[in-house]
Amino acid sequence: GDSVTQMEGPVTLSEEAFLTINCTYTATGYPSLFWYVQYPGEGLQLLLKATKADDKGSNKGFEATYRKETTSFHLEKGSVQVSDSAVYFCALIPLYTGRRALTFGSGTRLQVQP
Amino acid sequence: NAGVTQTPKFQVLKTGQSMTLQCAQDMNHNSMYWYRQDPGMGLRLIYYSASEGTTDKGEVPNGYNVSRLNKREFSLRLESAAPSQTSVYFCASSGGVVTGELFFGEGSRLTVL
Repeated sequence: GDSVTQMEGPVTLSEEAFLTINCTYTATGYPSLFWYVQYPGEGLQLLLKATKADDKGSNKGFEATYRKETTSFHLEKGSVQVSDSAVYFCALIPLYTGRRALTFGSGTRLQVQP
Repeated sequence: NAGVTQTPKFQVLKTGQSMTLQCAQDMNHNSMYWYRQDPGMGLRLIYYSASEGTTDKGEVPNGYNVSRLNKREFSLRLESAAPSQTSVYFCASSGGVVTGELFFGEGSRLTVL
């Protein structure tokens, strides 16, 4: 079945540090890949997405590249801010399989210290 | 902009009690979902409704029932609550699953004693 594996957290960084959160996946069919973010006390919201191999999704300074050869979709940001502190979820949905809902990873908590 | 609204936000139940979580969206979306979020396990799909009048089981449907009352509303019912159902529940909606963009409510924290 489909699955998403994320690095365990929490990830603790100082402001302006470089961020990488690893995500690998297993999927039947050809998946679209997503990163969602959950700020404290809120629901999840879409951060970025990529729908085919070698696509790069980007938003708010975050980037992730769809790597089919390594089945990965790692999230990166060059300089984190305190306001980036949140839980980040990698997710997928395989196309052309009839599946109609996203599969999420377990989430990675990011804590950014001033 | 209301988006996806869930009620209640907090609830404490005793084992064996029943309750219904309500969800409504005002974005005219066809698809709606119920997920539960547990520490270390991410979000797991309970039920979803691809369109008005249809519902399908997700990954963890046991102990739950759902009703797609109309296009706007999708409720989740616990008939006989168990401590294992202590969780945070999220409702979400989507205009088209292929886009992958789900809009989430703020969550409902349920504790079963």
